[in-house]
Amino acid sequence: DIQMTQSPSAMSASVGDRVTITCRASQGINNYLAWFQQKPGKVPKRLIYAASSLQSGVPSRFSGSGSGTEFTLTISSLQPEDFATYYCLQYNSYPRTFGQGTKVEIK
Amino acid sequence: EVQLVESGGGLIQPGGSLRLSCAASGLTVSSNYMSWVRQAPGKGLEWISIIYPGDSTYYADSVKGRFTISRDNSKNTVYLQMNSLRGEDTAVYYCARERSMGANPIDSFEIWGQGTLVTVSS
Repeated sequence: DIQMTQSPSAMSASVGDRVTITCRASQGINNYLAWFQQKPGKVPKRLIYAASSLQSGVPSRFSGSGSGTEFTLTISSLQPEDFATYYCLQYNSYPRTFGQGTKVEIK
Repeated sequence: EVQLVESGGGLIQPGGSLRLSCAASGLTVSSNYMSWVRQAPGKGLEWISIIYPGDSTYYADSVKGRFTISRDNSKNTVYLQMNSLRGEDTAVYYCARERSMGANPIDSFEIWGQGTLVTVSS
């Protein structure tokens, strides 16, 4: 199974901050990586797919990068509505595996 | 508009069985790769199963041999039959469209249902 190691598990940030979240895969995943945002009690929302493709309708302050085994989600200027938990997902092989999640809280 | 609606969750005793349904509208389940993903209370997301348009299926080790994914094309619905339920199966269960047949597999997991809660407890 491919393990997805996501860091940090939690962070405090202020509105306007640049935020970076990392996922490391235990083996190569051919850029079959997605990022999701989830707010309490809500359905996960896809932000990024194919490691760096922005989901239609998602603000451009969100971006994804990386290749091979290391991937990054960046929020260029954190907004109040961005406080949430973020997950990465590899869908290159079975079982599909998620990162442990990163909770972004208000500083 | 594409919509997935899960149902069938509830309170069930350990060792019991439950069948979840995922009714689709705006897409045809037989032409799509359909997955189930779950989330235990306060925990992260866990992928558990997929059914292909050609009926192939895959499972996470945590549910293999206990859960079965299936599809009824006439009802445009995907099911998850859950047997021998345990406390650790307590979770919100989401149905998700991984991708449609013939679509680029790199563009996956865009569409999710709202989830149904399964609580395994005596």
